[in-house]
This record gives sequence, C-alpha cells and structure tokens, in this order.
Amino acid sequence: DVKVTQSSRYLVKRTGEKVFLECVQDMDHENMFWYRQDPGLGLRLIYFSYDVKMKEKGDIPEGYSVSREKKERFSLILESASTNQTSMYLCASSYRVSGTNTEAFFGQGTRLTVV
Amino acid sequence: LAKTTQPISMDSYEGQEVNITCSHNNIATNDYITWYQQFPSQGPRFIIQGYKTKVTNEVASLFIPADRKSSTLSLPRVSLSDTAVYYCLVAGPGGATNKLIFGTGTLLAVQP
Repeated sequence: DVKVTQSSRYLVKRTGEKVFLECVQDMDHENMFWYRQDPGLGLRLIYFSYDVKMKEKGDIPEGYSVSREKKERFSLILESASTNQTSMYLCASSYRVSGTNTEAFFGQGTRLTVV
Repeated sequence: LAKTTQPISMDSYEGQEVNITCSHNNIATNDYITWYQQFPSQGPRFIIQGYKTKVTNEVASLFIPADRKSSTLSLPRVSLSDTAVYYCLVAGPGGATNKLIFGTGTLLAVQP
C-alpha cells in the first residue's frame, strides 16, 4: 500500500514562528503536492513539485515556501506563521507517467493552529 | 490549466443513482479528467479517471461527451456511506502539467 506520512496530526504554533510541515512518501513518486483545506473553500494548492528540487506555485503560495531535496520528502515552510494560516494541511504524491495521469495518494493531514 | 465547475451540493436517497456533472470548458487536448471522493477528516481518495467516452470501475462510471467540455460521475445505488464531497479535476499528462487543482467540490448528502 502507498503510504504518505505527514509528520504531525495536530500542531499549535505562535504567530511569527517559522513552521515546518514534513511529508514523506514511500512509493518513489515523482510528484508531490501541498494543499490547505478550509471550510467552504475546498482544497487549494499551495505548491507542487514534479521532481527533486523542482517546484511550481499553486493558487495560494504567498507566505509559504517548499523544499524538495530528496525524492521521498517534501517540506512546507511557513516563514512567519500568521493566524490566517490556521488550517488543515494535506500532502499528496503521485507517479508522473508520460501520456497519462495517475491517481494521487493523500496523507492524513496536519491541523495547524496559529495563536 | 482548465478550471472546473460543479454544483455545490446534491441530495439523494439510498438506492438511487446519482449523477454529478462537471463543466470544464477550457480542457486541453491532452488533459485527463479525474474524480476524487473525500470523507470528513480524511484526505481525498481517487475514484475514477477518463479521457473520452465511458469508463467504468467497481465504484462508479464516468461519462465524457465527444467535445469533452463536461463529464458526469455516476454512482449506482448510493448508500449512506457515499455521503462525501466529490471533486472533479482536469490535468495534463506530464511534468508541470500534472499539477492537480481541486475546486470546492460537490457535497453529496444521502438520506435514508
């Protein structure tokens, strides 16, 4: 079974702190994604990576950065946490196969509260 | 990347067939159409994917007309456990076009 593991299920941080959310997948997937989910807004893509060191901005990258130094790990960084970044954060991964798209597998989510 | 439009919510009763339609007017030639299901407090789960015509698996069917500007997810004989949010996505076949953009989805409420 594909496993996408997020480092924390719940996290509470203070305003202004630098926050790291870690995601690890064990299926040698090329693609990795970070989303945030808020009531009534669905899933919004923050950043996407299709290879090591490669990244693409999603719809809401402001206030976030990412790091993909190894294929299996994709980190989301909140440079200076703010209360409006309180949310559920979801990581996902998928294969990149030329000619077809393949399903993405999601982690269990990290509920981040910034106080 | 093509944006998608779906109804915000739908209601159904157990045992009925449910059809959720998604509009994707700007779909590109090489884009695929994929549907995901999400239960509360869980990440989305892949249901079905297609390029054109009809695709069927053990969970659902996906109908795509010739112009590919819309698609319909069909759930046969729904049960209470099918209550979830359903997302329609379109994405390309490689590299940066593999970016998966979810919308707000359709909340399906199945009642007894």
